[in-house]
Amino acid sequence: DAKTTQPPSMDCAEGRAANLPCNHSTISGNEYVYWYRQIHSQGPQYIIHGLKNNETNEMASLIITEDRKSSTLILPHATLRDTAVYYCIVRVPYNQGGKLIFGQGTELSVKP
Amino acid sequence: GAVVSQHPSWVICKSGTSVKIECRSLDFQATTMFWYRQFPKQSLMLMATSNEGSKATYEQGVEKDKFLINHASLTLSTLTVTSAHPEDSSFYICSAPPWGSTDTQYFGPGTRLTVL
Repeated sequence: DAKTTQPPSMDCAEGRAANLPCNHSTISGNEYVYWYRQIHSQGPQYIIHGLKNNETNEMASLIITEDRKSSTLILPHATLRDTAVYYCIVRVPYNQGGKLIFGQGTELSVKP
Repeated sequence: GAVVSQHPSWVICKSGTSVKIECRSLDFQATTMFWYRQFPKQSLMLMATSNEGSKATYEQGVEKDKFLINHASLTLSTLTVTSAHPEDSSFYICSAPPWGSTDTQYFGPGTRLTVL
């Protein structure tokens, strides 16, 4: 599975959009981009995933560049409860042998 | 989303004893479950893949005789930490993809193990 690079930490003002970048320059054609977050002392929570098209759900939007070498997770109106570590993971589907391998993630602090 | 539970949520045990942690998928079946370990201030580390009806597969460096995994049914996997020592103290988390799903997997709330 391809490796990802994320900034170790970011701050965001409450109510503003939080844009979390992720580089995955070695991604291969059948690998998906997944985003999870972990609030302190809890299990990770699924946010969103995509292959090459941009995706949106009730939690966030995922923007994947055309060459698929990077992506951005957007939380449109960050709240204090969005403070967490956000993990960007690249892998093939699990039924093709893919596993969720966590890197260090980005620690997002949403401030009032 | 789908729900995965773990029991217990926390456990304290004496050095040398064994501890069993359960992972259950509450509203879906899972032929595969994953076990992770997380030390303070660190990321999650995948320990092993639990397969219903067959042996678990362990990641490199994880002792299979130390961490026994049993996937007894389509909704239950157990992790037993045998002869626990203080260095086994950690946050243990399981996850499961719904059977037939090719995309996401859901995580349990984690079990905090403290070995005295």
